[in-house]
Amino acid sequence: DIVMTQTPLSSPVTLGQPASISCRSSQSLVNSDGNTYLSWLQQRPGQPPRVLIYQISNRFSGVPDRFSGSGAGTDFTLKISRVEAEDVGVYYCTQTSQSPVTFGQGTRLEIK
Amino acid sequence: EVQLVESGGGLVQPGESLRLSCAASGFTISSHWLYWVRQAPGKGLEWVSRINSDGSSTWYADSVKGRFTISRDNAKNTLYLQMNSLRAEDTAVYYCVRDSSLLVWGKGTTVTVSS
Repeated sequence: DIVMTQTPLSSPVTLGQPASISCRSSQSLVNSDGNTYLSWLQQRPGQPPRVLIYQISNRFSGVPDRFSGSGAGTDFTLKISRVEAEDVGVYYCTQTSQSPVTFGQGTRLEIK
Repeated sequence: EVQLVESGGGLVQPGESLRLSCAASGFTISSHWLYWVRQAPGKGLEWVSRINSDGSSTWYADSVKGRFTISRDNAKNTLYLQMNSLRAEDTAVYYCVRDSSLLVWGKGTTVTVSS
């Protein structure tokens, strides 16, 4: 199974400041079709998860442009350019390139 | 509006069965892979199962293999998860999810397995 390792696990951030979450996979996430199925999910308190970024860097419909994704192969990053209060929650990276689908442990973003 | 609505959760005793349903609206499921993902209380996300667009191929997490069965009825625009021989560790919120990039999530249905 592909292990997804996120750092940090907790991120206290000042409003208006940037935040960054790293995700490393134990194997390359390049699928046999040439695509890399690495997504970033946000789960606000009491809410279901929602996708922010898919296939490394594609922002999903309705996601603010302060969220961006980058990376390749086994190393990926989610960046928030300026943290807002509504960004509080847990962020997960996930790979669906290989079965079984696996998730990172989650990174809790909180406001200082 | 694209929506996935799960139902069928509840409180059951160990060893019993449940069938979850996921009704889709705003799109046709026939061209989409579909997934079940669960989240135990206070824990992270765990993939349970997936099914390809025509239902000819299915995949399962080792933790549920042989006990759970995923299926779909494209005519009814609905995804299912038959859960047999339920265990306490199956207690979780079960989410229905669309697409290989997990683009669309339902709100979830809660399954509690307890005596």
